[in-house]
Amino acid sequence: GNSVTQMEGPVTLSEEAFLTINCTYTATGYPSLFWYVQYPGEGLQLLLKATKADDKGSNKGFEATYRKETTSFHLEKGSVQVSDSAVYFCALSDRDTGTASKLTFGTGTRLQVTL
Amino acid sequence: DTAVSQTPKYLVTQMGNDKSIKCEQNLGHDTMYWYKQDSKKFLKIMFSYNNKELIINETVPNRFSPKSPDKAHLNLHINSLELGDSAVYFCASSQPGRSGTQYFGPGTRLTVL
Repeated sequence: GNSVTQMEGPVTLSEEAFLTINCTYTATGYPSLFWYVQYPGEGLQLLLKATKADDKGSNKGFEATYRKETTSFHLEKGSVQVSDSAVYFCALSDRDTGTASKLTFGTGTRLQVTL
Repeated sequence: DTAVSQTPKYLVTQMGNDKSIKCEQNLGHDTMYWYKQDSKKFLKIMFSYNNKELIINETVPNRFSPKSPDKAHLNLHINSLELGDSAVYFCASSQPGRSGTQYFGPGTRLTVL
């Protein structure tokens, strides 16, 4: 079955530090890959996505590249801010009935950014 | 302009009770979902409906019954609540296809005492 593995947190960084959150996946077929972010007390928001190999998703300074050869989709940001503190979820969407896609999530990585 | 809304935001109830959570989306999407997030933040899909038709049912106990009166609404009814049902339940919606982004509601925190 499909699975997503993320690095365990929490990850604690100082403001302006470089961020990497690792994500690897196992899937049949050709999944689409996503990063979602959950701020405290809120629902999930899409951060970025990539739908095919070598695609790079980017948003708000965050980037991730779909690497089929290493089955990875690592999240990076060059300079984090305190406002980036949240839980980050890597996810894949593989099963496609034509009408509904099933998201398989990683366990989430909590990021805490301090001044 | 809330895209995906859920009510209530918090729900505290006793074991054995029956409760419902409502979800509405105004994005014009055909597909809606219910996810459960446990205390360790792990998210797992429960159900998916497309235009009022059940598409995905992930071996959820039959105490959980989703109902979709129209494609903009997907409600979740839970019978005979158990302690293990305590979690945050998220509704989401999307357009069809594996690359379709799912948009999530704010969640309903259910606590069963």
